[in-house]
Amino acid sequence: ETGVTQTPRHLVMGMTNKKSLKCEQHLGHNAMYWYKQSAKKPLELMFVYSLEERVENNSVPSRFSPECPNSSHLFLHLHTLQPEDSALYLCASSHSGTSGHNEQFFGPGTRLTVL
Amino acid sequence: DAKTTQPTSMDCAEGRAANLPCNHSTISGNEYVYWYRQIHSQGPQYIIHGLKNNETNEMASLIITEDRKSSTLILPHATLRDTAVYYCIVRGAWAGNNRKLIWGLGTSLAVNP
Repeated sequence: ETGVTQTPRHLVMGMTNKKSLKCEQHLGHNAMYWYKQSAKKPLELMFVYSLEERVENNSVPSRFSPECPNSSHLFLHLHTLQPEDSALYLCASSHSGTSGHNEQFFGPGTRLTVL
Repeated sequence: DAKTTQPTSMDCAEGRAANLPCNHSTISGNEYVYWYRQIHSQGPQYIIHGLKNNETNEMASLIITEDRKSSTLILPHATLRDTAVYYCIVRGAWAGNNRKLIWGLGTSLAVNP
């Protein structure tokens, strides 16, 4: 247990569906991240929220829409996805700030399959 | 952003030391080196980090060369549960108050009985 939970763990959806991924951290962190991990590719940073403000949108298509209602929760809303969006979606959290290092704690991920 | 180079895969016998190398020849003076690992079907897990000096914690040791262009992660007594992909990472550009982690493909370590 890392203190970061993700639901659901597995999701299969059609290209016309709308679904949401949920992440929750119990570590008192104030920065949260969404990553995409595709087979044989490095982890790709998608979004970063710091103090509930989005500070990074790494050229992610608009069919992915993040939401951070408070420092403990992060959502990724999905709609009209493509088969190439099938991947493992990982959530992470860390302390935010310029001092020290920002060790990131990861959840177990959501395995998404788009049909 | 600094990049890292790691071997694609390595093998290690159970109970022996596993030495995982990493090259980061473009690292700048104030960038840390981080190591994470990812066991199958789990999210990545932080192992250790360092700047200039060698570091040790309960999981591993990190040896950084004097010119900081390479480093080695040492698992002193590898067990079967250490089988995982190991990532050597240098922090990259800022995202707000946080430095981004630049991920590569890592080294797939197989610990054999």
